[in-house]
Amino acid sequence: DVKVTQSSRYLVKRTGEKVFLECVQDMDHENMFWYRQDPGLGLRLIYFSYDVKMKEKGDIPEGYSVSREKKERFSLILESASTNQTSMYLCASSSPPGGTSGNTIYFGEGSWLTVV
Amino acid sequence: SQQGEEDPQALSIQEGENATMNCSYKTSINNLQWYRQNSGRGLVHLILIRSNEREKHSGRLRVTLDTSKKSSSLLITASRAADTASYFCATDAYNNNDMRFGAGTRLTVKP
Repeated sequence: DVKVTQSSRYLVKRTGEKVFLECVQDMDHENMFWYRQDPGLGLRLIYFSYDVKMKEKGDIPEGYSVSREKKERFSLILESASTNQTSMYLCASSSPPGGTSGNTIYFGEGSWLTVV
Repeated sequence: SQQGEEDPQALSIQEGENATMNCSYKTSINNLQWYRQNSGRGLVHLILIRSNEREKHSGRLRVTLDTSKKSSSLLITASRAADTASYFCATDAYNNNDMRFGAGTRLTVKP
C-alpha cells in the first residue's frame, strides 16, 4: 500500500527555534512536495523537489528551506520559527506526469506545528 | 498562486441528496484531479480527468471538465453522512510537475 509518513503529528516549538519536519515515501516517487494548510486559504505550496538534491520554490518559500539527500526523504526546515508559521504542514509525493496515474499525489497525515 | 478555485466554499445537504461542487482554473492543464480531506487528516485522491476527457465516473462520483471554460464539476450522488469532508480540486500547470490546489469546498451531509 502507498505510504507517505510524516515523522511528527504534533509539535510545539518556541519562537526562534530551528524546526525539522521529516517526510518519507515508499513508492519510489520522483516528486515530493511540502504544503502548508491554513483555514480559508487551502493548501499553499512551499517547496517541491523533482529529483534528489533538486528543489524548486513554490508560492510561499520565505522562512523555509528543504533538503532532499535521498529519493525517499524530503525534509522541511524552519530556520527560525515564528508564530506566523503555526499551521498544518502536509508532505506529499507523486510520479511525474505522463504515466498511467498522471501525477496523482499521495499525502501524509499532516504535522500540526504550533510556535509559541 | 493558487490555480484552482472551488465553489461554493461550503455546502450543507441532507443524506440522499446530490452534491455538486465546482472548480475554476486559470491556465492550460494536462489533467485535473479531485481530492477529499477528512477533518485534520491528509488528502486522499478521488479521481483524475485528463484534458482530452469531458466526463468521468467512479462509483457515486461524476466529474466533468470543460477546458473552454476552464472549469470542472464534481457530483456526488446519493450522498451519505460519511461523505462529510472538504473537497479540493488540483491542477498541473502545463508541462510542470507541481500541483496547485484551491481553498476547497466544505461539504456537510446531515443524516
